[in-house]
Amino acid sequence: DIVMTQSPDSLAVSLGERATINCKSSQSVLYSSNNKNYLAWYQQKLGQPPKLLIYWASTRESGVPDRFSGSGSGTDFTLTISSLQAEDVAVYYCQQYYTTPPQFTFGPGTKVDIK
Amino acid sequence: QVHLVESGGGVVQPGRSLRLSCAASGFIFSTYGMHWVRQAPGKGLEWVAVIWYDGSNKYYADSVKGRFTISRDNSKNTLNLQMNSLRAEDTAMYYCARDIGRYSSSSLPFDYWGQGTLVTVSS
Repeated sequence: DIVMTQSPDSLAVSLGERATINCKSSQSVLYSSNNKNYLAWYQQKLGQPPKLLIYWASTRESGVPDRFSGSGSGTDFTLTISSLQAEDVAVYYCQQYYTTPPQFTFGPGTKVDIK
Repeated sequence: QVHLVESGGGVVQPGRSLRLSCAASGFIFSTYGMHWVRQAPGKGLEWVAVIWYDGSNKYYADSVKGRFTISRDNSKNTLNLQMNSLRAEDTAMYYCARDIGRYSSSSLPFDYWGQGTLVTVSS
């Protein structure tokens, strides 16, 4: 099974500053036949269901502000919020969807707060 | 717009059964794979099960395999989760979620989620 880890567990960033979250998979989630990384990022605000932000490691979901970006390949990935807004306070999860047969796994989450 | 509404949660004793449902609207339900994902109180997300758009394939997390059964009724736009032999560790908010792509026969991320239904397993 692919294990997902995230760092840090939590971070506090000033409004307008950059927030960076790291995600690491225990094995590569890059599918060589299509050169796609099977990695997604979700945002979960308090009391709400998760919301898809990024998939294929760097493709922004429709309607997601462009201050959110994803990067990385293979086993190491990053979610960046370029200019933190108050509404970005949430827990962020990475997820791999590479495994066949399907066994989707999420990272433990990173809590983002305002400093 | 896409709408997913879970129901069927509640308090149940260990070893008993419970059936969750998810009513879908706003999209062609029969063309999308569907998932159940759970979240224990104060904890992270755990994928539970997936069913292909046509019901032809079903896959489960190891933690629920043999106890939970996912099913769908495309004529009623409904997703179900039959949960048997419930344990305290099954206590969680259960979300239904939709695949991002249509007619998929491979793994995809989840673009729409319901608000969830809470299952508490306790004597």
